[in-house]
Amino acid sequence: LAKTTQPISMDSYEGQEVNITCSHNNIATNDYITWYQQFPSQGPRFIIQGYKTKVTNEVASLFIPADRKSSTLSLPRVSLSDTAVYYCLVGDNGNTGKLIFGQGTTLQVKP
Amino acid sequence: GAVVSQHPSWVICKSGTSVKIECRSLDFQATTMFWYRQFPKQSLMLMATSNEGSKATYEQGVEKDKFLINHASLTLSTLTVTSAHPEDSSFYICSVRRGSYEQYFGPGTRLTVT
Repeated sequence: LAKTTQPISMDSYEGQEVNITCSHNNIATNDYITWYQQFPSQGPRFIIQGYKTKVTNEVASLFIPADRKSSTLSLPRVSLSDTAVYYCLVGDNGNTGKLIFGQGTTLQVKP
Repeated sequence: GAVVSQHPSWVICKSGTSVKIECRSLDFQATTMFWYRQFPKQSLMLMATSNEGSKATYEQGVEKDKFLINHASLTLSTLTVTSAHPEDSSFYICSVRRGSYEQYFGPGTRLTVT
C-alpha cells in the first residue's frame, strides 16, 4: 500500500478556499485516491475519491496530475465547521480493502 | 442516514474485565468489516479485517487472543477486548466495505479502562 505524506496542519479563514496536497510517490496502477474527514470523537467521513484528472462533488474537488504521484483536495469557501482532520489514502480497495491511514492534516478554520 | 452503527458509543470498565463492542452494517450486507484503534491526537491504526464466516485477519503486532473478533452474520461484527487494561483505553472504530471502492465508518466507541 502506497505511503502518503501530508502537511501536519493548516490554518485558514472562513470563506477562503483551502487546498491540501498529498504526496504518494509509490502509487500503483490500480490504486485509487480517497480523502476522508474526521471530527473529534467521530468516525472518518468519506469526502471524495478519484483515479486521475479532476473529480468534483458537492463538497470538494480533487485534482490529480497525470503522473498521479500527488493529489490536492480543494475545499471551496470553508467555514468554521470544516475544522477537522483530513486524511489522504491510497489503495487498491478492490483487493484487500485495507485502508492505511497516514498522519492526516489538521485544518483549523478561523473566523 | 447512518450506514454503520456501533454499540456502545462509550464504555467504562475495570481493569481485568472484558468488553464487547458491536459494529452493524445498517443498509447492506457486508462480508468484510475492519476494526481500527485511535489514540488521542493520533491517526487510525488498522487492527484487523473481519470476514464473515471465517477467522479474522490481524495486523502485525495486534494480539488476536486479546482482541477477539467475531463476524457471525453479514451485518454484525463484534470486537471483544479481553482482560482489558488501562493501556487498552482508546477510540475503537469499525468500517464496512461495500463493493470494491466504498468503505463506511462507524461513529466509534470510546473505551476507558480504570
